[in-house]
Amino acid sequence: DADVTQTPRNRITKTGKRIMLECSQTKGHDRMYWYRQDPGLGLRLIYYSFDVKDINKGEISDGYSVSRQAQAKFSLSLESAIPNQTALYFCATSDPRDRDEQYFGPGTRLTVT
Amino acid sequence: AQKITQTQPGMFVQEKEAVTLDCTYDTSDQSYGLFWYKQPSSGEMIFLIYQGSYDEQNATEGRYSLNFQKARKSANLVISASQLGDSAMYFCAMRERQTGANNLFFGTGTRLTVIP
Repeated sequence: DADVTQTPRNRITKTGKRIMLECSQTKGHDRMYWYRQDPGLGLRLIYYSFDVKDINKGEISDGYSVSRQAQAKFSLSLESAIPNQTALYFCATSDPRDRDEQYFGPGTRLTVT
Repeated sequence: AQKITQTQPGMFVQEKEAVTLDCTYDTSDQSYGLFWYKQPSSGEMIFLIYQGSYDEQNATEGRYSLNFQKARKSANLVISASQLGDSAMYFCAMRERQTGANNLFFGTGTRLTVIP
């Protein structure tokens, strides 16, 4: 089984809808991240969490919110989706004792029409 | 200013040849880490290699090596004996240890195509 899982893997939604992307991990890491990937822009950080009580905004947090329900779960919400949020979204975890190497989930491809 | 710059949008290499993918970075931190990731067409992000700013030796992982030139702030990835399965996007990333933050900055990537 994968160490970092994301659901759904693909989603098409309409402008204005609320949508939640979920991430679960079995690596036991405290640190979790949400990134989005757009063609030609690489990956950009949306939010990160160093533990259940610590959540921080990343480079592009506007229009997004997150919830860290447990050490193993980190959810990303789009309260009112808009077309320019169409992207590939990655969840990742890391352990500062292990170079903080990011372990990525398989990604969620989100399309907002 | 861009934290990570990858100036090669696309590269071609003949199978079994070596190829170098360029990466330069910008930081004022003394402590940082440099990563390379591979993203095949299936979309997942695969960790390849890591170099710490205090590491004196260039990192190597099988056919991957990192040509780390600290004074020039470059961290080029060298792939030896290219294989068809190496065709993918390659991302360079840097982790800075700023106060209260610890995240990765990614470059825009290089698409490598291995020609049979």
